[in-house]
Amino acid sequence: DGGITQSPKYLFRKEGQNVTLSCEQNLNHDAMYWYRQDPGQGLRLIYYSQIVNDFQKGDIAEGYSVSREKKESFPLTVTSAQKNPTAFYLCASSTRTSGGAHEQFFGPGTRLTVL
Amino acid sequence: EDKVVQSPLSLVVHEGDTVTLNCSYEVTNFRSLLWYKQEKKAPTFLFMLTSSGIEKKSGRLSSILDKKELFSILNITATQTGDSAIYLCARTGAQKLVFGQGTRLTINP
Repeated sequence: DGGITQSPKYLFRKEGQNVTLSCEQNLNHDAMYWYRQDPGQGLRLIYYSQIVNDFQKGDIAEGYSVSREKKESFPLTVTSAQKNPTAFYLCASSTRTSGGAHEQFFGPGTRLTVL
Repeated sequence: EDKVVQSPLSLVVHEGDTVTLNCSYEVTNFRSLLWYKQEKKAPTFLFMLTSSGIEKKSGRLSSILDKKELFSILNITATQTGDSAIYLCARTGAQKLVFGQGTRLTINP
């Protein structure tokens, strides 16, 4: 089955701890994205990557870091510098063309709660 | 900053009603506008609109784009409780999508 997986589904973290959220896709997509969703709000872009070993900051990158060492994987680390990390995190992927962004396919999300 | 604005933010109707969700944007030079439905977790793709004035249909859902007036609408006829969800629209950027804040639609039996 082709798709995007995220783990874990639920994550609890103490204040001051870093935590890494996993995102894996087997759709052979070049581009991958991380979004944050707060209650009653739309999706805000954290980081995105168009190709392996390259990534760009989105609109709310502060307090987050990413890596893209493999095409299939785009892990997101929520650092202790992120002031309000409790949120629902969604990973997405898409094909990449020179013409611009395309339809994105989403994973099931990780709900992070900071205690 | 280029914005995508959806309205209403929240809508509650009775089963069988018809609803119209709105999405407006500011930038003129973009390729496509997309609609997603988010029930509990992952948003699922509904429509991609590229050309102005051409309606896309899927069952009871339809959508149209007006590139001159910079908006899109999503219509749902004969609503069912299973249509309850957050509906997100997004416009394409150079390398990313720019999302609106979503409309939370609740269908009461």
